Amino acid sequence: QTVVTQEPSFSVPPGGTVTFTCGLTSGSVTSNYYPSWYQQTPGQAPRTVIYSTKSRFYGVPDRFSGSILGNKAALTITGAQADDESDYYCMLYLGRGIWVFGGGTKLTVL
Amino acid sequence: EELLVESGGGLVQSGGSLRLSCAASGFAFTSYTMSWVRQAPGKGLGWVSVIDSGSGVATYYADSVRGRFTVSRDNSKKTLYLQMDSLSAEDTAIYFCARVYSWDHFDLWGQGTLVTVSS
Repeated sequence: QTVVTQEPSFSVPPGGTVTFTCGLTSGSVTSNYYPSWYQQTPGQAPRTVIYSTKSRFYGVPDRFSGSILGNKAALTITGAQADDESDYYCMLYLGRGIWVFGGGTKLTVL
Repeated sequence: EELLVESGGGLVQSGGSLRLSCAASGFAFTSYTMSWVRQAPGKGLGWVSVIDSGSGVATYYADSVRGRFTVSRDNSKKTLYLQMDSLSAEDTAIYFCARVYSWDHFDLWGQGTLVTVSS
């Protein structure tokens, strides 16, 4: 079974930079998995942040960026703001109509 | 405005069934692949199922629900469905419907409907 790994939590000061990663327990994440990232605050629906590795979704501030770092997908927030405090989930497309989410990373801005 | 609105959640006994609906508006529903995602209380997101655009001939499921859940669509009503049978406590979650863009990512989300399975 394919398992997608994410850091459980991160803390960043306001204005700081943080990078989350999204890996696989076996194998490397490449652009062929079309990694996407979703932001979710408690009680709310997820919001799309990044798709196809590095494309920023409509209305998402340019302090959010996506990339491949080594064998993982990555989401970087440069100049974090208080309202970036959320849970962040990566999702990979495994092909043949199957998607899988990572366990999520809880970001604290303080 | 493009919207997805889920309904049909509620309390059901273990072993029971429930059908969720997701009403779409503001976009060409028939042209889009659609998906269901769930989130157990205090847990992360979990992909559940997908149905392709048009007649919805192609359907796919997560291992945890295959054989128990059935996804379908009624394009005339612009509505996505999830028939859930043989429910267990592990199926307790908020169920979100989402629009799939280009078999790549999910670009529109509903607010979710809560399903609680009592044991």
